[in-house]
Amino acid sequence: QQQVKQSPQSLIVQKGGISIINCAYENTAFDYFPWYQQFPGKGPALLIAIRPDVSEKKEGRFTISFNKSAKQFSLHIMDSQPGDSATYFCAASMYAGNMLTFGGGTRLMVKP
Amino acid sequence: DAGVIQSPRHEVTEMGQEVTLRCKPISGHDYLFWYRQTMMRGLELLIYFNNNVPIDDSGMPEDRFSAKMPNASFSTLKIQPSEPRDSAVYFCASGRQGNYEQYFGPGTRLTVT
Repeated sequence: QQQVKQSPQSLIVQKGGISIINCAYENTAFDYFPWYQQFPGKGPALLIAIRPDVSEKKEGRFTISFNKSAKQFSLHIMDSQPGDSATYFCAASMYAGNMLTFGGGTRLMVKP
Repeated sequence: DAGVIQSPRHEVTEMGQEVTLRCKPISGHDYLFWYRQTMMRGLELLIYFNNNVPIDDSGMPEDRFSAKMPNASFSTLKIQPSEPRDSAVYFCASGRQGNYEQYFGPGTRLTVT
């Protein structure tokens, strides 16, 4: 059972544009929603995360929007740069120390 | 500070051979997770430990897979015998008690021929 669904699978954005990746979850017990960035040949790196008590979190050019009633959250990358080209994974966890359930990933390409 | 360390980075072996993957978590972290990444199934949890004790091994595919954590600074994932369908990238991640964040190692790319 896929508990976290991610879309789109791939995304092409022009430099300076906004990249938007969406995720939807099923399990209302999830309590933590991180986004990971992965470059080829590397491990996933924690990018930004949110708890369900807030609707938005911003760190630099990266913003998470969270809609608890819709059970959806999204990653917005403002002013996208070629260096942002990577695969992005959303994930969810039920409590601190619990496993992460990952979405299927989005391959982002930012064209110069 | 050093991050999560995994070895080897690449492993190529023949079907039927035993494979051992190693992980050193970040010092002071209490949780250790083993994930597997494939094109077909994405990133999925195999097993995780808290204070060296296995908590959830429901993701371990079958009896051919086993994992141990003899101390706070070392864990192994063993596959015996290995099969071509075990080919994947295996990641180790660690986290601190009371925190949600998990930090991943660089992974071991396993190829079973």
